[in-house]
Amino acid sequence: SQTIHQWPATLVQPVGSPLSLECTVEGTSNPNLYWYRQAAGRGLQLLFYSIGIDQISSEVPQNLSASRPQDRQFILSSKKLLLSDSGFYLCAWSVGTVLTDTQYFGPGTRLTVL
Amino acid sequence: KQEVTQIPAALSVPEGENLVLNCSFTDSAIYNLQWFRQDPGKGLTSLLLIQSSQREQTSGRLNASLDKSSGRSTLYIAASQPGDSATYLCAVYTGANSKLTFGKGITLSVRP
Repeated sequence: SQTIHQWPATLVQPVGSPLSLECTVEGTSNPNLYWYRQAAGRGLQLLFYSIGIDQISSEVPQNLSASRPQDRQFILSSKKLLLSDSGFYLCAWSVGTVLTDTQYFGPGTRLTVL
Repeated sequence: KQEVTQIPAALSVPEGENLVLNCSFTDSAIYNLQWFRQDPGKGLTSLLLIQSSQREQTSGRLNASLDKSSGRSTLYIAASQPGDSATYLCAVYTGANSKLTFGKGITLSVRP
């Protein structure tokens, strides 16, 4: 069966510090991978998606970046965190046709920037 | 630009009540609509997926309907239980870059 892992589960970082969040998927090959941010009152916002290694698209301009060093590994990074980067970060994966393309979410990382 | 709206933002009902959660979307050119459940501090769990050619899907006590032409979906929960307390999110899949557009969710509380 497929599983998705995210770490760390929680993180408290000062403004201006770097960030690295990791997501890995097990039990499937060549998944589509997604990073979302969920902020209070703003709903779920898609940040990045990837349909393969070295194929990453950004949905919104920001000081975050994403990389996919391996087929089932997706990393979200920042060189300098802002207060506005606080939120709940969710990684998700999908595989399949458009009509049946549901997404499976990881447990999330709660990031607090102080 | 696709927008998904869920009203009200929160709902509290007594146990055993049948209830309906509403979702509306602005662009009817969708491939499917999905309902997710999110428990506090957790990730999302897929509940039901309705393809654009379908009118409804059922899973246990849950029934989701889709009226694509009017841009509406409902999630019907029968005989609600305290364990149903969670946030329910609606999302539409437009097919563009495999992107799901989410509503902000409805936080449901079922009182014992």
